[in-house]
Amino acid sequence: EAEVAQSPRYKITEKSQAVAFWCDPISGHATLYWYRQILGQGPELLVQFQDESVVDDSQLPKDRFSAERLKGVDSTLKIQPAELGDSAMYLCASSPGTSHTDTQYFGPGTRLTVL
Amino acid sequence: GQNIDQPTEMTATEGAIVQINCTYQTSGFNGLFWYQQHAGEAPTFLSYNVLDGLEEKGRFSSFLSRSKGYSYLLLKELQMKDSASYLCAVRDSNYQLIWGAGTKLIIKP
Repeated sequence: EAEVAQSPRYKITEKSQAVAFWCDPISGHATLYWYRQILGQGPELLVQFQDESVVDDSQLPKDRFSAERLKGVDSTLKIQPAELGDSAMYLCASSPGTSHTDTQYFGPGTRLTVL
Repeated sequence: GQNIDQPTEMTATEGAIVQINCTYQTSGFNGLFWYQQHAGEAPTFLSYNVLDGLEEKGRFSSFLSRSKGYSYLLLKELQMKDSASYLCAVRDSNYQLIWGAGTKLIIKP
């Protein structure tokens, strides 16, 4: 069964350092999402791609976060500089498209700890 | 504003039945999803409802009433492995998923 791949699974960094997360969606899925999830809360959408284009990045803190999906396949999310409040689970999800029936499938996530 | 409400935590006994409720107020409606999330893991898809009524899938069923802005997830024959958080999410008029905070379900022997 096809899965969304993410790496690394865990990342510990010091504040002010740069971190990067990678995601490879299910093959053929045009839509890719990056979420941040704080313990005890639901996922918060950071950025949504349709192929290589950003569809929604209204909740992305653009002063420190950036995301790209250059060839419309895999994607990278970067934080520079990391802050203590960035400690969270970063989830990548993909779906075939954006129709109302399309289900989002999640990767295993990256647990970020900022010290 | 958009809002999804779920109970924070529920406890049930192994072998029993539990119903997890979700009420929503969103700008438009294009479907409701239930996901299961074990501690430290990613959410996994359980069910999707877009029309009123009950959708059954094995031990899990999901119900939707669009007029009431209400859904529930019904888990039967509870097993210890069902201990997890259950997330309700609604797709709004912009096709964005609005997520609830999740219900932590604790199963006791």
